[in-house]
Amino acid sequence: DTEVTQTPKHLVMGMTNKKSLKCEQHMGHRAMYWYKQKAKKPPELMFVYSYEKLSINESVPSRFSPECPNSSLLNLHLHALQPEDSALYLCASSQLAVTYEQYFGPGTRLTVT
Amino acid sequence: DAKTTQPNSMESNEEEPVHLPCNHSTISGTDYIHWYRQLPSQGPEYVIHGLTSNVNNRMASLAIAEDRKSSTLILHRATLRDAAVYYCILRVVQGGSEKLVFGKGTKLTVNP
Repeated sequence: DTEVTQTPKHLVMGMTNKKSLKCEQHMGHRAMYWYKQKAKKPPELMFVYSYEKLSINESVPSRFSPECPNSSLLNLHLHALQPEDSALYLCASSQLAVTYEQYFGPGTRLTVT
Repeated sequence: DAKTTQPNSMESNEEEPVHLPCNHSTISGTDYIHWYRQLPSQGPEYVIHGLTSNVNNRMASLAIAEDRKSSTLILHRATLRDAAVYYCILRVVQGGSEKLVFGKGTKLTVNP
């Protein structure tokens, strides 16, 4: 199974809402990632988790709160978002090795109204 | 962060080879060069990676310049399914963790 699943596929939320994005993989990967992708732009790294610990935070605003409850699951908790946070949020996973391939999920399309 | 530069777009005809260039003049000695592609409405998909030597796999070939300041992704026979945005990426190490630094990508159009 080389699949990374993300739920929901689409999400519309107001600026006062709290919501969560979920990502799951069962490949035994010990590194997991959140990326943000705006239309016609490349993905931008947000967070990296290694062995369930946050190892990279690319200066992401605190209204985005990641969580890695176990080695297969990665969440992104959203609170008080702005309209400019509307984007495709991609999750990825990989082995922890010198060279590796990242497996990406299909993404969650988020719209903030 | 190390950066890559790619043409915004390229066109090819079906069944013909495609050479996608990438410049990475600020690459460091430990940075790997990765290529991913992204089809419409999908997440990026791994294509190939290398450090110094040329690499081949079932999808493509990667030719790396001797000074490592540039590389070329080669699709030997383009098909309509190869139409995608191709990203040239440097895999860098930060604070003991590895991350991918995406270039802006080249949109490849394949004509029938």
